[in-house]
Amino acid sequence: GQNIDQPTEMTATEGAIVQINCTYQTSGFNGLFWYQQHAGEAPTFLSYNVLDGLEEKGRFSSFLSRSKGYSYLLLKELQMKDSASYLCAFGGYQKVTFGTGTKLQVIP
Amino acid sequence: DVKVTQSSRYLVKRTGEKVFLECVQDMDHENMFWYRQDPGLGLRLIYFSYDVKMKEKGDIPEGYSVSREKKERFSLILESASTNQTSMYLCASSTQVQGTEAFFGQGTRLTVV
Repeated sequence: GQNIDQPTEMTATEGAIVQINCTYQTSGFNGLFWYQQHAGEAPTFLSYNVLDGLEEKGRFSSFLSRSKGYSYLLLKELQMKDSASYLCAFGGYQKVTFGTGTKLQVIP
Repeated sequence: DVKVTQSSRYLVKRTGEKVFLECVQDMDHENMFWYRQDPGLGLRLIYFSYDVKMKEKGDIPEGYSVSREKKERFSLILESASTNQTSMYLCASSTQVQGTEAFFGQGTRLTVV
């Protein structure tokens, strides 16, 4: 079957670094997405990994290990506006399956 | 600016009513999706479509149907609304190029009473 696990909630301090982990199981893997969703808003795309390794985009980086079925999203220099849910998802060119999301609270 | 527009932000319907949720995208995307989002359950795929008049069941299609008569429009139909269909419904669209992002509408919060 298909399954995605990520922590339900995390709290981190403004200016710090936080790592949000995601593990997945699927028979047909075509890449790993991360989305950000602020409360009451639509999800917005952050990153996509299809090969192993780290992809960096400004303050946000995403890592993938296909052999371990593992990914993480790394947020550096946390800002208050980073308080949101972070959704891990895997998929291909058609169907995308989402995890339940990790709600991140950034505190002063 | 790319846009996915859902017809209603909030909707209240009675049990047993037939409900239509409309979604329009202006990006000429091939794929369109309907998800529902519930606390603790995340985004769950109801149906998706990869072409006009084509549809595929997602993970939770029971109690729903869809229609895609034009490329830009994807409708979700609740044939007979029930209280367990109270949820946030999100429409999304994407191209068929692997790894491209899905663009989401703002969502429709449906309450069935």
